[in-house]
Amino acid sequence: QKEVEQNSGPLSVPEGAIASLNCTYSDRGSQSFFWYRQYSGKSPELIMFIYSNGDKEDGRFTAQLNKASQYVSLLIRDSQPSDSATYLCAVTGGYQKVTFGTGTKLQVIP
Amino acid sequence: DGGITQSPKYLFRKEGQNVTLSCEQNLNHDAMYWYRQDPGQGLRLIYYSQIVNDFQKGDIAEGYSVSREKKESFPLTVTSAQKNPTAFYLCASSIRTGVQYFGAGTRLSVL
Repeated sequence: QKEVEQNSGPLSVPEGAIASLNCTYSDRGSQSFFWYRQYSGKSPELIMFIYSNGDKEDGRFTAQLNKASQYVSLLIRDSQPSDSATYLCAVTGGYQKVTFGTGTKLQVIP
Repeated sequence: DGGITQSPKYLFRKEGQNVTLSCEQNLNHDAMYWYRQDPGQGLRLIYYSQIVNDFQKGDIAEGYSVSREKKESFPLTVTSAQKNPTAFYLCASSIRTGVQYFGAGTRLSVL
């Protein structure tokens, strides 16, 4: 079992719709959870981070964490073509070691 | 400007040659990381360092070496023992919150 799992996609949504990206992790001791966006050929950039169970909202983005079920999700409201990218889930455990998922490719169709 | 600088942007390695990728940060971050990314894949951790003069192997350290003599610098050497080095290499740094800031990356190819 991979430590951090994501559906590779592509996930296609129409412009203006809600995109839902999911990530599961295997280490129950994981402490911090991050979503990064990576455009093709570029380096990842942070979208959001979440530490506690529940929802965290930032503009059009909402991160959801459920530690009991070991999943974290990212919702993107009013999806725009500029949101088309690969979204990487990352999880931090002990000693600040970060494990990344393989990413979900999102395509927003105009 | 504060940030992470990786150089060179593109690098070509001849068979049997060692090459070194540079990573410098002026964010005053304690932790630094090296990742490898293959086409269509996620990031795989090569090495990481939480403090000067100390570093730990990641998941794919074989064929690579690092040093951390200064807080600002964390160079990665791809040795001749790494038989498949062609990839996109990313350096990152972070503070205790774990949020990572990435450089622009180095694309390494084999001649």
